[in-house]
Amino acid sequence: QSVLTQPPSASGSPGQSVTISCTGTSSDVGGYKYVSWYQQHPGKAPKLIICEVSKRPSGVPDRFSGSKSGNTASLTVSGLQAEDEADYYCSAYAGNNNVVFGGGTTLTVL
Amino acid sequence: QVRLVESGGGTVQPGTSLRLSCAASGFSFSDIGLHWVRQAPGKGLEWVAVILFDGSEKYYADSVKGRFTISRDNSKSTLYLQMHSLRAEDTAVYYCAKEMAGYSSGRFSPYCDYWGQGTLVTVSS
Repeated sequence: QSVLTQPPSASGSPGQSVTISCTGTSSDVGGYKYVSWYQQHPGKAPKLIICEVSKRPSGVPDRFSGSKSGNTASLTVSGLQAEDEADYYCSAYAGNNNVVFGGGTTLTVL
Repeated sequence: QVRLVESGGGTVQPGTSLRLSCAASGFSFSDIGLHWVRQAPGKGLEWVAVILFDGSEKYYADSVKGRFTISRDNSKSTLYLQMHSLRAEDTAVYYCAKEMAGYSSGRFSPYCDYWGQGTLVTVSS
């Protein structure tokens, strides 16, 4: 069982926006600014798309945005495209030099 | 460009040992911390361990503490994961990943900006 809780699935039509939540505790998501999101296509390695809650690494489209409120972080994908269909994982620093992940959310573009 | 190539995976029996390697290129290896992250078949990601740029500090997930050892050889630009007392629940694809420079949580960056393709470890009798 993963430390961070994500919905197992999410979906949206092309052009729409979808938001994926990631719920932790005050010891991880709520306690630090070190929240990230990864995108993983089938059979591929994960790709970092959001770091430090809301920052996009170079090359990541601005359709991807992140936020945090209390113990819950969120990833919003705007203007959905077919290529956004993938698994998405949140991650957080949990103190004591420990990193935790969410269970993952499968995003389907209808 | 950054390249990380894992090797050493395979099928082993419970209770045995295995050493994974990750050959790196395309960045200043000795300046960067490195992580191991695993993914059981059909499951989510699980952080395993991290080692600082100079190997001076190492941190582990509770699930592997005392059984796994992360190490690095900066002269060979290679990261290792020595795994002992393997269990069925250690079955996973193991990824090595480079930490993202400039974003530290204190001792290391919790963000992984480049990943290898992974190597599969199967623990089964």
